[in-house]
Amino acid sequence: GAGVSQSPSNKVTEKGKDVELRCDPISGHTALYWYRQSLGQGLEFLIYFQGNSAPDKSGLPSDRFSAERTGGSVSTLTIQRTQQEDSAVYLCASSLFQDTQYFGPGTRLTVL
Amino acid sequence: GDSVTQMEGPVTLSEEAFLTINCTYTATGYPSLFWYVQYPGEGLQLLLKATKADDKGSNKGFEATYRKETTSFHLEKGSVQVSDSAVYFCALRRGTSYDKVIFGPGTSLSVIP
Repeated sequence: GAGVSQSPSNKVTEKGKDVELRCDPISGHTALYWYRQSLGQGLEFLIYFQGNSAPDKSGLPSDRFSAERTGGSVSTLTIQRTQQEDSAVYLCASSLFQDTQYFGPGTRLTVL
Repeated sequence: GDSVTQMEGPVTLSEEAFLTINCTYTATGYPSLFWYVQYPGEGLQLLLKATKADDKGSNKGFEATYRKETTSFHLEKGSVQVSDSAVYFCALRRGTSYDKVIFGPGTSLSVIP
């Protein structure tokens, strides 16, 4: 597609359940990034991928969070045993080498 | 560590007023600087960027100049419109091959007719 796409656009889940968020980057973009946007915390970096490897996972808030990328394309962010403080908008971005990051529309996660 | 500071607002202006949103940064080396905009109910969009000192980024009537001596990247527009109402994020990315973007807290702008 023309831009970064993310699914689902909205996800409501119960505390303790696992969720998977998906990101489809712009075709040909080798770098993929996950960020989180929440009230009071602003925009926080979570993890980035170069190809299928993740050189920087420094932003993952706990071991309940994990992410993978396959085929140098689609990425999945998994949150296990969700907590209410995980409620946020999860943003994905992709870029070419040393280039601007382009963001998807985000997934709004609500943990009840 | 690297960081971005910007006025948080909210900022309320009348249509056709002059806009300035201040942004300063702390970073090692020579980062690239960005302004992103988030319209109500939409995702982040790149508004403009500058990759080296004294560069001016511009788009849709907005401008920002990379000032290394003052570590600033202030956003300006000469005459705002109601459609400019949005949240504006100043951001930087270090000049390495792949690196995360570090965002400021965002400035909410409301333009009233």
